[in-house]
Amino acid sequence: QQPVQSPQAVILREGEDAVINCSSSKALYSVHWYRQKHGEAPVFLMILLKGGEQKGHDKISASFNEKKQQSSLYLTASQLSYSGTYFCGTEARGATNKLIFGTGTLLAVQP
Amino acid sequence: DTAVSQTPKYLVTQMGNDKSIKCEQNLGHDTMYWYKQDSKKFLKIMFSYNNKELIINETVPNRFSPKSPDKAHLNLHINSLELGDSAVYFCASSHKQRQGYTFGSGTRLTVV
Repeated sequence: QQPVQSPQAVILREGEDAVINCSSSKALYSVHWYRQKHGEAPVFLMILLKGGEQKGHDKISASFNEKKQQSSLYLTASQLSYSGTYFCGTEARGATNKLIFGTGTLLAVQP
Repeated sequence: DTAVSQTPKYLVTQMGNDKSIKCEQNLGHDTMYWYKQDSKKFLKIMFSYNNKELIINETVPNRFSPKSPDKAHLNLHINSLELGDSAVYFCASSHKQRQGYTFGSGTRLTVV
């Protein structure tokens, strides 16, 4: 079953922060995060492999709560270039090499 | 140098036709995938190959047949195209498990 992301859409002003959540009904082995701009391919941001793991990427970071089967993506001091649709992707335990993408979150950063 | 390249970028065809999409990666990755992105932007896995061997075959109609002649190439052939096949098809690759995927630029298929 497809992971559920929230919110579905968010509009920000430059410099504001946002959090995107990803929730799965299955026990997870890993969580990926991708950003897709309109008309382009998804681009890999980061992968989280261990429960409780947090990773950072410039001003974009993510956490993984293995027990709750959830991950969150944190965007701080947003820039115009952050605009796009964000997808989490999950690999369930026992089903690796099968990345199931979430429902997507549309992020629009305005000047 | 394009890491994962797909051809063609656009494909417009009539119902009932047969078409192929080609994918090549020069990253040395050992696993390749086909994903379908529908009009609602949902990305759904179709197939996965590891070193030319099919490892994932989701509930895809058997009109769709992937072929991997070597680990750098994964092609997708579609028979008897239907209106519902219209979508963007993405090829992707990854190196071993626990690594991010690199996507091709996509093929927008329109069936009329």
